[in-house]
Amino acid sequence: SQTIHQWPATLVQPVGSPLSLECTVEGTSNPNLYWYRQAAGRGLQLLFYSVGIGQISSEVPQNLSASRPQDRQFILSSKKLLLSDSGFYLCASQTGYGYTFGSGTRLTVV
Amino acid sequence: RKEVEQDPGPFNVPEGATVAFNCTYSNSASQSFFWYRQDCRKEPKLLMSVYSSGNEDGRFTAQLNRASQYISLLIRDSKLSDSATYLCVVNMGSGYSTLTFGKGTMLLVSP
Repeated sequence: SQTIHQWPATLVQPVGSPLSLECTVEGTSNPNLYWYRQAAGRGLQLLFYSVGIGQISSEVPQNLSASRPQDRQFILSSKKLLLSDSGFYLCASQTGYGYTFGSGTRLTVV
Repeated sequence: RKEVEQDPGPFNVPEGATVAFNCTYSNSASQSFFWYRQDCRKEPKLLMSVYSSGNEDGRFTAQLNRASQYISLLIRDSKLSDSATYLCVVNMGSGYSTLTFGKGTMLLVSP
């Protein structure tokens, strides 16, 4: 079965600082990978998805970017964080018709 | 119209009660349906898929009504450990496979 590793678990960053969140997947090859954000009191919002190395699709124009340098590595980045970037960031891998999620990174921008 | 709608709750029920959640979706071409469970400050985890004929997994029963575009989840004999937020999830069936999540329904089971 798949295992998704995300780190760090929590992060507090000042406004204007850069961000890099990493997600790695074990137990599968060539997975479809996703970045979601869950803001306080809101549902899961799809940010990016990737069907392969170097292939990134953005769902919502924003202050973030994503990259997939290796088959089982998915990175979420920002050059300058905004207060509105605070939230719970989840990486997911498609398994059959459903998704398996990583344990998430709780980001607070101060 | 929102793509996947759920009553946010919370639903407060005593142990042993039966509780049902409904969810409506906007895209009639949707192909796959799921219920996920999310504990406080944790990632969502797949509870069960929802099949056209309805399906049961222990105390949990899921049903799909394509004509009315709604999905239901029934929990029998509620346990304290069932307290969580239940997310209705729909694959809208577009060219790539991505899931659309409802905002979730919170369930609180009390002793």
